[in-house]
Amino acid sequence: GAVVSQHPSWVICKSGTSVKIECRSLDFQATTMFWYRQFPKQSLMLMATSNEGSKATYEQGVEKDKFLINHASLTLSTLTVTSAHPEDSSFYICSARDDSSSSYNEQFFGPGTRLTVL
Amino acid sequence: GQSLEQPSEVTAVEGAIVQINCTYQTSGFYGLSWYQQHDGGAPTFLSYNGLDGLEETGRFSSFLSRSDSYGYLLLQELQMKDSASYFCAVRGDDKIIFGKGTRLHILP
Repeated sequence: GAVVSQHPSWVICKSGTSVKIECRSLDFQATTMFWYRQFPKQSLMLMATSNEGSKATYEQGVEKDKFLINHASLTLSTLTVTSAHPEDSSFYICSARDDSSSSYNEQFFGPGTRLTVL
Repeated sequence: GQSLEQPSEVTAVEGAIVQINCTYQTSGFYGLSWYQQHDGGAPTFLSYNGLDGLEETGRFSSFLSRSDSYGYLLLQELQMKDSASYFCAVRGDDKIIFGKGTRLHILP
């Protein structure tokens, strides 16, 4: 089955530092990946849509200069939280759509990255 | 704008049947999906309805009525491992938007 990995699975950092999170599709190609943020007991909030070879599309209210997204290959997208602050502490989850799948609607989720900013 | 409404919590007994409803309001609609998420884990895809009617996958079924902007997830023969949060999600334009989730509690 389609597998998406994320690295790291958790990270603790000091306020003001930058953190990079990687999202990889392990056995399929993904032109499109999605980045979500989820606070405890809340829903997944779409942050941005990552497209290979082009700029990401950010949702309203998401600062593109703070959350840098790079989708350099068909199997890798990265999210960099720049100058992280405690309010950025959250569960960050990526998902990917299989380019070869006829099911446009099925997304495969990574295991998530729990970010804690001290 | 887009919005999805689903109950925040539902409680049921092991072995019973439970239905989780979802109503939606979207500017574009290309299908209703359901995802399951256990505490600390990532969401997993359960089902998708693009057309009206019932889709069955084992113990889980999902229903859609596009005219009513309404769907539901039906879980039968509940097991303790089904305790999780369930999210309905609507595909509009080129992205999927998630509801706030329904926390399912199962009593022995």
